[in-house]
Amino acid sequence: DAKTTQPNSMESNEEEPVHLPCNHSTISGTDYIHWYRQLPSQGPEYVIHGLTSNVNNRMASLAIAEDRKSSTLILHRATLRDAAVYYCILDGSARQLTFGSGTQLTVLP
Amino acid sequence: DGGITQSPKYLFRKEGQNVTLSCEQNLNHDAMYWYRQDPGQGLRLIYYSQIVNDFQKGDIAEGYSVSREKKESFPLTVTSAQKNPTAFYLCATATGPSTDTQYFGPGTRLTVL
Repeated sequence: DAKTTQPNSMESNEEEPVHLPCNHSTISGTDYIHWYRQLPSQGPEYVIHGLTSNVNNRMASLAIAEDRKSSTLILHRATLRDAAVYYCILDGSARQLTFGSGTQLTVLP
Repeated sequence: DGGITQSPKYLFRKEGQNVTLSCEQNLNHDAMYWYRQDPGQGLRLIYYSQIVNDFQKGDIAEGYSVSREKKESFPLTVTSAQKNPTAFYLCATATGPSTDTQYFGPGTRLTVL
């Protein structure tokens, strides 16, 4: 299965944009890129997903590189409630999602 | 009140005892999943089921068992054969066989004493 690489942690100031990177150099042509986030002691929450084109929803934007070997989750205005672990996941086969360690986002007031 | 219910939120058991974790959903989703999460780690897939009366092993199925007799329910039994069962267990559902969003329950934190 294709793997993803994310920084262990990132910090952002409140009300500023946040760009969370993810590398997936071995991605296959049919792999979707999913982002989930998890607050402490809670189940993960879906954020966004895409295949080739950039995607926007009410929570975030997903920018996918032209070669699809990397992607960036963009939170346009970080709030304290956005502090969480963010997982970048490739969905390639049998609908199994393989979660790595993710990026711990800290939002500073 | 729709969604995924996992009960109980906290569970304590003595070593050597089997324990069954409950996962119930009223979302009418076909697929259901069980994950395990250890502190500071990502989620690892234990078992999944895409349809009633059928299920497949995930990456770490040893020491666990499941059943899927009803669409709404996917209980997970942690057996005494699981060497290190203390963990946070998460149940998830998804709508169908294509690439799809997974919805997670609140989780059960199991501590084996």
